[in-house]
Amino acid sequence: SQELEQSPQSLIVQEGKNLTINCTSSKTLYGLYWYKQKYGEGLIFLMMLQKGGEEKSHEKITAKLDEKKQQSSLHITASQPSHAGIYLCGALSTGGFKTIFGAGTRLFVKA
Amino acid sequence: ETGVTQTPRHLVMGMTNKKSLKCEQHLGHNAMYWYKQSAKKPLELMFVYSLEERVENNSVPSRFSPECPNSSHLFLHLHTLQPEDSALYLCASSQRGHASTDTQYFGPGTRLTVL
Repeated sequence: SQELEQSPQSLIVQEGKNLTINCTSSKTLYGLYWYKQKYGEGLIFLMMLQKGGEEKSHEKITAKLDEKKQQSSLHITASQPSHAGIYLCGALSTGGFKTIFGAGTRLFVKA
Repeated sequence: ETGVTQTPRHLVMGMTNKKSLKCEQHLGHNAMYWYKQSAKKPLELMFVYSLEERVENNSVPSRFSPECPNSSHLFLHLHTLQPEDSALYLCASSQRGHASTDTQYFGPGTRLTVL
C-alpha cells in the first residue's frame, strides 16, 4: 500500500527564519495536497499540486511537486507565529480513490 | 455559515453509552467522509459516502455505525466503545468524491474521550 512520509516530524524555528517540510511518497503521486491543522482542530486546505514540477504559493507558503512526482516540499519564508501548527500532506492513493495522509510535521515558531 | 460544521466539539462517554456525532456541510458537495486522528498517527479514513451511498468502509469495527440521510448531513453513531477509540474525529466533504482528485474540506472535529 502507498505511504507518505513527512520530515521532519517536528520543527522549532525562530520568527523570521525560512523553513522547508518534505513529503515523500512510496509510489507515484496523482494529486498532492497540503493542509495546515491547528492543534486539536480541523484541517485547513492550503494548496493542491498535480503536475510534476508544478509550484504554487499561498501567502508566504510555497509548495512544489518534483518532476518524478514522488516528493513534494513546502517552504515557508520569513516564518511568523501564525504559521505554527501541524502541516499534513495528503495524496490520492494509487489503489483507488482513497486519500492517504502523512503523519504531519509539527511547526513551532518562537517569537 | 462555515463550510463544514461538526457537533459536539467535545464528547466524553463511558464504554456502555450510545452517542452520535453530527456533521453538516454547506458547500453543495456530493461526497462526505469520516476520519479518525489519533495522537502521532496519520489520519485514518473510516467511511466515505458519495451521493448518500456508502462507497468505502475501511475495516472499521461495527461499534462505529455511519448514517448519511442526505448529501448535506453525515452521522457517526457510537456504541460500546473502547478507551483506544479516544481520538479526534474529523468530517470532510468534497464535490465529487469517488475516484476524483477533488479537494476535501474538513470540519473542526469532535474530540472524543472514552472512559
